[in-house]
Amino acid sequence: EIVLTQSPATLSLSPGQRATLSCRASQSVSSYLAWYQQKPGQAPRLLIYDASNRASGIPARFSGSGSGTDFTLTISSLEPEDFAVYYCQQRSNSYTFGQGTKLEIK
Amino acid sequence: EVQLVERGGGLIQPGGSLRLSCAPSGFIVSGHSVSWLRQTPGKGLEWVSIIYPGGGTTYADSVKGRFTISKDNSKNMVYLQMNNVRAEDTAMYYCARAPHGFDVWGQGTMVTVSS
Repeated sequence: EIVLTQSPATLSLSPGQRATLSCRASQSVSSYLAWYQQKPGQAPRLLIYDASNRASGIPARFSGSGSGTDFTLTISSLEPEDFAVYYCQQRSNSYTFGQGTKLEIK
Repeated sequence: EVQLVERGGGLIQPGGSLRLSCAPSGFIVSGHSVSWLRQTPGKGLEWVSIIYPGGGTTYADSVKGRFTISKDNSKNMVYLQMNNVRAEDTAMYYCARAPHGFDVWGQGTMVTVSS
């Protein structure tokens, strides 16, 4: 099973700041990595697929990069609605998710 | 609008059976892959199963031999038959469309396995 490790577990930032979230895979997943945002009481929402492609309707402040085993989700300037939990997910070999990064208001 | 609605969750005893349903709107299941996933506070998000447009299926090892995913193209519905359930199957169950990542999710249906 491919294990995805996200860091940090919690990220405390203020609106307007830049957020950088990391996801590391236990073996190469090529570019088959997605990022999701989840708010309390809601289902996850797809942000990025195949490492760097924004899903439909996702603002340009969200961007993804990386390939192989190391990936990054960047939010260029945080809006109040961006504070949530973020998950990475691979589809290279079956499907697995990271444990999540909680982005909280500082 | 593309959306999915899950139904069928509830309280069930260990060893029992339950069938979840997933009703897509805005797309047809004959043309898209649809997955079931689940989420618990302790184990996080876990993929359960997928059914492909042609009807092929794949399962997570944790449910293989106990759960069966199926679909009815004429009704545009996807199902998850859960047999011999265990306490560790307790979770919020979601269905999601799966083109490249899970791009549309339902609101979820809660399954609680307890005696």
